[in-house]
Amino acid sequence: DAKTTQPPSMDCAEGRAANLPCNHSTISGNEYVYWYRQIHSQGPQYIIHGLKNNETNEMASLIITEDRKSSTLILPHATLRDTAVYYCIASNQGGKLIFGQGTELSVKP
Amino acid sequence: ETGVTQSPTHLIKTRGQQVTLRCSSQSGHNTVSWYQQALGQGPQFIFQYYREEENGRGNFPPRFSGLQFPNYSSELNVNALELDDSALYLCASSLAFAGPTGELFFGEGSRLTVL
Repeated sequence: DAKTTQPPSMDCAEGRAANLPCNHSTISGNEYVYWYRQIHSQGPQYIIHGLKNNETNEMASLIITEDRKSSTLILPHATLRDTAVYYCIASNQGGKLIFGQGTELSVKP
Repeated sequence: ETGVTQSPTHLIKTRGQQVTLRCSSQSGHNTVSWYQQALGQGPQFIFQYYREEENGRGNFPPRFSGLQFPNYSSELNVNALELDDSALYLCASSLAFAGPTGELFFGEGSRLTVL
């Protein structure tokens, strides 16, 4: 799995968009970009994944640069319940994911 | 709610003892992965089971072992417990051959404290 780099922490105002960056400059052609989040004391929760194209679901949008060396997870209207640690993972290994330290997102009123 | 249940939720053991943690997969899922999460760290992959066979292992010693049963439920066994084994143990189920796009569904974890 390619190594990913994320900022350790970010703040976001409630109701605003939260944009979480991730660098994965060594990603290989068949590795997907996954995003999971973990709310305190709970198991990680899948958010979204993508290979090349931008993706959107009911939770978030994933923007992947054309060279695939970085991506951004966008939570369009952050709420207090979005406060969590967000993990960006580059992998082609199915359930064998390599989690890093993630970004601790704090959504503030 | 992911449909993945783990037991027990919390337990305390002493160094040198053995522990068994249990996981029931989401209905229809045939693959189970186990992760260890130390305090303040991201989850670390321990191993994965598919159709009752180990299908990949992370950097964990042999005293970490597992089983998967015909109903796809799973156990994680840790022998000769060490203080550093204190962690949250997470089970995740998925559907194999969904390719690398397969989403993992995590349970809430079993928090093990070794004294």
